[in-house]
Amino acid sequence: TQLLEQSPQFLSIQEGENLTVYCNSSSVFSSLQWYRQEPGEGPVLLVTVVTGGEVKKLKRLTFQFGDARKDSSLHITAAQPGDTGLYLCAGPRGSNYQLIWGAGTKLIIKP
Amino acid sequence: SAVISQKPSRDICQRGTSLTIQCQVDSQVTMMFWYRQQPGQSLTLIATANQGSEATYESGFVIDKFPISRPNLTFSTLTVSNMSPEDSSIYLCSVAGTANQPQHFGDGTRLSIL
Repeated sequence: TQLLEQSPQFLSIQEGENLTVYCNSSSVFSSLQWYRQEPGEGPVLLVTVVTGGEVKKLKRLTFQFGDARKDSSLHITAAQPGDTGLYLCAGPRGSNYQLIWGAGTKLIIKP
Repeated sequence: SAVISQKPSRDICQRGTSLTIQCQVDSQVTMMFWYRQQPGQSLTLIATANQGSEATYESGFVIDKFPISRPNLTFSTLTVSNMSPEDSSIYLCSVAGTANQPQHFGDGTRLSIL
């Protein structure tokens, strides 16, 4: 059974600090997706990583896909209060349309 | 990306009653999904709504409790039947156009059962 272990589950830091969120599995994934969800809204896709070793940047957010395609990380530099939200990683379940979801990281950035 | 409208956005219901949640997409999509989510936690897939056939339910979810309709490629409904306080949650629909592609979500229905 494919599982995605996401850590930490909760993180509260001051504005300006850096942080990293991890998404790990014992299984190989063809791709991994990162979403951010704000209260009262559905999750919104931030990025999809596809190639082992791939690094993608979205302003202050850096996403990395492990060389073996079993893990991914999200690094935020100089976090801002606007980064507050629930971050979720997800990967395809087999070859169908369904996704396996990590447990989520609730991130709070204090001004 | 697809725009998904979900109604109602929130409701407070009495135990023993049923509520139908609607999900409308602005374009035809292959797959629609229904999830349940506790605030601040991850998503739990309830079922995959297939157009023209019965929904496929995940372990722990049954059709009698969560009947789903998918009459066409742009619309689906989820009914939460005979509600109890344990059904209080956020219900989300999402869509995917092709396999292994990201899903796009509605804003969810926040349901409270008294």
